[in-house]
Parts: sequence; structure tokens; C-alpha cells
Amino acid sequence: GAGVSQSPRYKVAKRGQDVALRCDPISGHVSLFWYQQALGQGPEFLTYFQNEAQLDKSGLPSDRFFAERPEGSVSTLKIQRTQQEDSAVYLCASSGVGGARWPQHFGDGTRLSIL
Amino acid sequence: DQQVKQNSPSLSVQEGRISILNCDYTNSMFDYFLWYKKYPAEGPTFLISISSIKDKNEDGRFTVFLNKSAKHLSLHIVPSQPGDSAVYFCAASKGSGGGADGLTFGKGTHLIIQP
Repeated sequence: GAGVSQSPRYKVAKRGQDVALRCDPISGHVSLFWYQQALGQGPEFLTYFQNEAQLDKSGLPSDRFFAERPEGSVSTLKIQRTQQEDSAVYLCASSGVGGARWPQHFGDGTRLSIL
Repeated sequence: DQQVKQNSPSLSVQEGRISILNCDYTNSMFDYFLWYKKYPAEGPTFLISISSIKDKNEDGRFTVFLNKSAKHLSLHIVPSQPGDSAVYFCAASKGSGGGADGLTFGKGTHLIIQP
């Protein structure tokens, strides 16, 4: 169907609050990726799912970050006890087969601001 | 330590001329390279890619060149059009063997097409 959909588009939270960011990948896409993009930087890899299996979480910056994809489609990125340095755009991408070789298709991101 | 470098933060080119965007990488394990285009408040859009077994890939006005020995790639846009004004990201993957590394991005080059 349509492209990768992310919600909310904008999220403002107070320091210490928990937040949850949602990603709806392109229908049928097996692979799903989360990235964090700070202002003026390129996206940085956070984690990767193949179907419901989280195969790589090496980019998650701390144990406050948690991602899941329980049924192999929609994914949620959760950040607990948010800090100001968590302020960034969080991008979700999906691709058709397991493996980064296929082009990843990105959503428009969630801009997270921590006050 | 940046593994993918785009050393020109911005580039201004006259409409109709050729735009050349450059990218250098340091990790010899990278074997697949992609260029993405990004408009403000939108996610990156895939443009073109190249495998390390090739040295050139062409798609319409866009051509990507890869020089493995120099660990350098470039994106050529001919002729440049006003709608090409955007931020361009170079990205690399070491996804061979079915592994699923996330993409490693450069910081981007802001291309401005002058009328």
C-alpha cells in the first residue's frame, strides 16, 4: 500500500517521562529499521527487525531505549525516563527482504523534543 | 569516528549544469552504497545505489560512480533542475552474506540549484 507511516509526527515530553513512537512499515516488508537523526547530522542506526525477531540492537544508546515488533508488522520504539539528549528525529525504514542490501524506504519521522 | 564522510556541507549549481556530490568512506567492509535525497520535514527518499562489484550505475539523470581503491563515490546529476534542491545523503552497508547491518550515513550535502 502506501509508504512507511510514523506517528506521532511531533512529540513534546518533559524530562523523565516515557514516550512511545509508532511505525507502520510498507505492507509485506520483512525488514524494519529504526534510526535517530540529530540536528545537522545523518541518521544513525538504532535497531533492526526481521519479521518479529530483533536481530540487531547494537545502536540503541542505552537501556532506556526499547523496541518491539510483536506480530512482524507494526513496530514501537519506547524511550523510558527521557533525557534532553534524546531530542532528535526518529526515523523508521522498511525493506522487502532480510538484509540491508535492498533499498530501505523511510517514513517522515517523529520529531521528539524533551523539555 | 565517522566512517562515511561528505566533506561539502553545501553546494550551489546553476540550473542545467552538472551537480557532483562526493562521498568518502573508511571501512573496507562496506560493499553496498546508496544515495538518498531529503526535503525538509520529510524522510529520506532512495535515489540510486551501487554494489561494490560495479564502478558505475546509471538511472536517468542520476549516475553514481564508485572508486573502491580510493574508497570514494560520487553522484552526478545531469542536467540539474530546481526540484533537485535538497539535502543528499550518502549511505553505506556491509550487508553481504545475508547480514542486516543498518546503513551508515554521512552528514549530508545541501544542494542548491540556482535559476
